[in-house]
Amino acid sequence: DAGVIQSPRHEVTEMGQEVTLRCKPISGHDYLFWYRQTMMRGLELLIYFNNNVPIDDSGMPEDRFSAKMPNASFSTLKIQPSEPRDSAVYFCASSLSDSTDTQYFGPGTRLTVL
Amino acid sequence: QKEVEQNSGPLSVPEGAIASLNCTYSDRGSQSFFWYRQYSGKSPELIMFIYSNGDKEDGRFTAQLNKASQYVSLLIRDSQPSDSATYLCAVIDGGSQGNLIFGKGTKLSVKP
Repeated sequence: DAGVIQSPRHEVTEMGQEVTLRCKPISGHDYLFWYRQTMMRGLELLIYFNNNVPIDDSGMPEDRFSAKMPNASFSTLKIQPSEPRDSAVYFCASSLSDSTDTQYFGPGTRLTVL
Repeated sequence: QKEVEQNSGPLSVPEGAIASLNCTYSDRGSQSFFWYRQYSGKSPELIMFIYSNGDKEDGRFTAQLNKASQYVSLLIRDSQPSDSATYLCAVIDGGSQGNLIFGKGTKLSVKP
């Protein structure tokens, strides 16, 4: 299995632009998680899905952030408009069952907003 | 605000020594605890999980849990330079639908 796939690996954009991050979970995994990692705040859960349905989005920082999972093999995290404070590494992870199961992380997308 | 606290380090140990990494958590309702390893520039990977009080051993790694003290630790025996990484403690949020709360991690450096 190829593992969790994320694209792009690096994204540099200017403040105010729309950014879309993509994730393909491991086939057969029912749970998908989006995390953000910064030096200041560490690794934070933004949102997670179970069987394509958003379960908890309480970690989404504000309305500028949105996430979708149109099918079992694809999810997007969108930031519109982007701001410099959104600069971070964004990880997608998937697991067979809930958080008590092993979460497999993708390689991450390093986002820089100028 | 539920918190997971770790000493940021860096923790430096000589090759062959025992590395001891510590973590405290604020949520008494937490039942599941995880240790993830993250190499610089890479993604986190699970190395240990523990649910019951006491010790759990897996090769050179031992996880220790004390729920009364809200304390979980990771011991790495016979530390190798390849163990140099940041170790993230994660705790299931007992009050939520099972979200993982991560500590900020302890950076371990094993010197040859």
